[in-house]
Amino acid sequence: EAQVTQNPRYLITVTGKKLTVTCSQNMNHEYMSWYRQDPGLGLRQIYYSMNVEVTDKGDVPEGYKVSRKEKRNFPLILESPSPNQTSLYFCASRPGQVWDYTFGSGTRLTVV
Amino acid sequence: DAKTTQPTSMDCAEGRAANLPCNHSTISGNEYVYWYRQIHSQGPQYIIHGLKNNETNEMASLIITEDRKSSTLILPHATLRDTAVYYCIVKRRGGSNYKLTFGKGTLLTVNP
Repeated sequence: EAQVTQNPRYLITVTGKKLTVTCSQNMNHEYMSWYRQDPGLGLRQIYYSMNVEVTDKGDVPEGYKVSRKEKRNFPLILESPSPNQTSLYFCASRPGQVWDYTFGSGTRLTVV
Repeated sequence: DAKTTQPTSMDCAEGRAANLPCNHSTISGNEYVYWYRQIHSQGPQYIIHGLKNNETNEMASLIITEDRKSSTLILPHATLRDTAVYYCIVKRRGGSNYKLTFGKGTLLTVNP
């Protein structure tokens, strides 16, 4: 089944403890992206990647890192999480010029 | 990307057609109309897109007016599972703006 898989689905962590949210797609898509969703602010793009080793910042990249060493994986790294990064995170991928993203099921992160 | 305007909320009876309007009066000739939906806290789901001709797939139909200033997403036989926020987004094919901007969308509630 074609899908984007994020792990974990839920995570509670403490301020400052580095964490990684994994994202993997099995559709050989070139483009991948991370979004966060907060009440009243909607979905905002954090980072995106156009292909292996090609990434760039979205609207809210502060406090996050990404890497794209393989086409299928696009992990989101929080080096030193803070409470304002408590959010619902979505990874997404699409094949090319058409904006038909496939989204993952989401990761609900709580930083205390 | 052209801005879109959608009603905040709509109701529909189960089994009836749901017609969701979207205004995009500043759309340019090479911009497509995309529709996504998000069922509560799940990842957004791509529904359909079109340029100027009407489009239909297994999920919905998209009717774009001749002047392309507005469109309507039609769910022919709405079910309770179609209750979701529906987003109308205008995007140019390809381009250097690698961001899908989700506005506030329309909350469609399907009632039994």
